[in-house]
Amino acid sequence: KQEVTQIPAALSVPEGENLVLNCSFTDSAIYNLQWFRQDPGKGLTSLLLIQSSQREQTSGRLNASLDKSSGRSTLYIAASQPGDSATYLCAVRPVQGAQKLVFGQGTRLTINP
Amino acid sequence: DAGVIQSPRHEVTEMGQEVTLRCKPISGHNSLFWYRQTMMRGLELLIYFNNNVPIDDSGMPEDRFSAKMPNASFSTLKIQPSEPRDSAVYFCASSLFRGPEQYFGPGTRLTVT
Repeated sequence: KQEVTQIPAALSVPEGENLVLNCSFTDSAIYNLQWFRQDPGKGLTSLLLIQSSQREQTSGRLNASLDKSSGRSTLYIAASQPGDSATYLCAVRPVQGAQKLVFGQGTRLTINP
Repeated sequence: DAGVIQSPRHEVTEMGQEVTLRCKPISGHNSLFWYRQTMMRGLELLIYFNNNVPIDDSGMPEDRFSAKMPNASFSTLKIQPSEPRDSAVYFCASSLFRGPEQYFGPGTRLTVT
């Protein structure tokens, strides 16, 4: 059974810092991995999607990497801003699990002005 | 596009009452997913449909839960009778048929007293 873990559960950093969020998964046989952002009381916004054949994806100040063999992904946020404060979730789509997404518990990020 | 639409956004009900949550997927999307988010268990897939047909309902917790998709533009998740432990945020998501990316609605926050 695929399990996804995100560490740390919460992170607080000063504005302007570069930071890395971590995601690990137990079964390397995945179809893709997706990073989401969730603001309090809101739905999920997709940030980046990495197919299993890809190593990384970039969007603006965000860069996500994928190392399937080690079961790890990282989300790198450059020059953090207070508006980046949110909960970040990673989700894997298992190959055998068809279309279902298996989510981590998330990292709650706070950027302090 | 309006995105995935869910109603109601908030629902407060008493134990034993029937609750119906509604979802309208993005036009043209043929896959629809119902997820539940709680502090203890995070985000979990309950059920998903392809072309209005339920494909995997293994995440539905009990017989008290049922989901239908009578047409391509509408789905319901019903809980009867509701219990306090059903309190959670319920998300609907949609995608192109077996498409790589899922798009989430804003969620329905259910409180059962």
